[in-house]
Amino acid sequence: DIQMTQSPSSVSASVGDRVTISCRASQGINSWLAWYQQKPGTPPKLLIYTASFLQDGVPSRFSGSGSGTDFTLTITSLQPEDFATYYCQQANSFPLTFGGGTKVEMK
Amino acid sequence: DVQLVASGGNLVQPGGSLRLSCAASGFTFSASWMSWVRQAPGKGLEWVAKIKYDGSETYYLDSVKGRFTISRDNAKNSLYLQMNSLTAEDTALYYCVKAPWKEGKLWFDPWGQGTLVTVSS
Repeated sequence: DIQMTQSPSSVSASVGDRVTISCRASQGINSWLAWYQQKPGTPPKLLIYTASFLQDGVPSRFSGSGSGTDFTLTITSLQPEDFATYYCQQANSFPLTFGGGTKVEMK
Repeated sequence: DVQLVASGGNLVQPGGSLRLSCAASGFTFSASWMSWVRQAPGKGLEWVAKIKYDGSETYYLDSVKGRFTISRDNAKNSLYLQMNSLTAEDTALYYCVKAPWKEGKLWFDPWGQGTLVTVSS
């Protein structure tokens, strides 16, 4: 199974900050990576797929990059509605696996 | 708007069975891959099973293989998850998720609200 490791597990930030979240796969997954955002009490929401493609309706302050084993989610100017937990997910092979999550908290 | 309404979650004893259902609307269900993804209380996400749009292919997490069965009824726009031999490790919120094909792969979008399965004596 492909293990997905996210870092950090939590980050404290302020509105307007640039936030970067990393995701590392235990083996190469090409660009088959997605990022999801989850707010408390609600289901996850797809933000980015195939490493860098922005899902319709997602603000352009979100971006994704990387390929192979190392990936990054960047929020260029954090907004109040962005405080949430973010998960990466690989779609290269079964079983489909998620990272452990990164909680973006208010500083 | 896409709607995915999961139901059937309940408190069940270890070793028991449960059948989850998901009523889909707002999209062409018969042309869509579908999945179940679960989330244990306070924990991360875990993919459970996936089914092709015509039901001809299914895929499972190893730990549920042989115990869980994903199925669908395209005439009823419904997705199912039959869960047998349940253990405490199966306790989770189970999400019904559409899996659209985008840029070469299937992704999870959107997600329904989920139905809670609690396995406890």
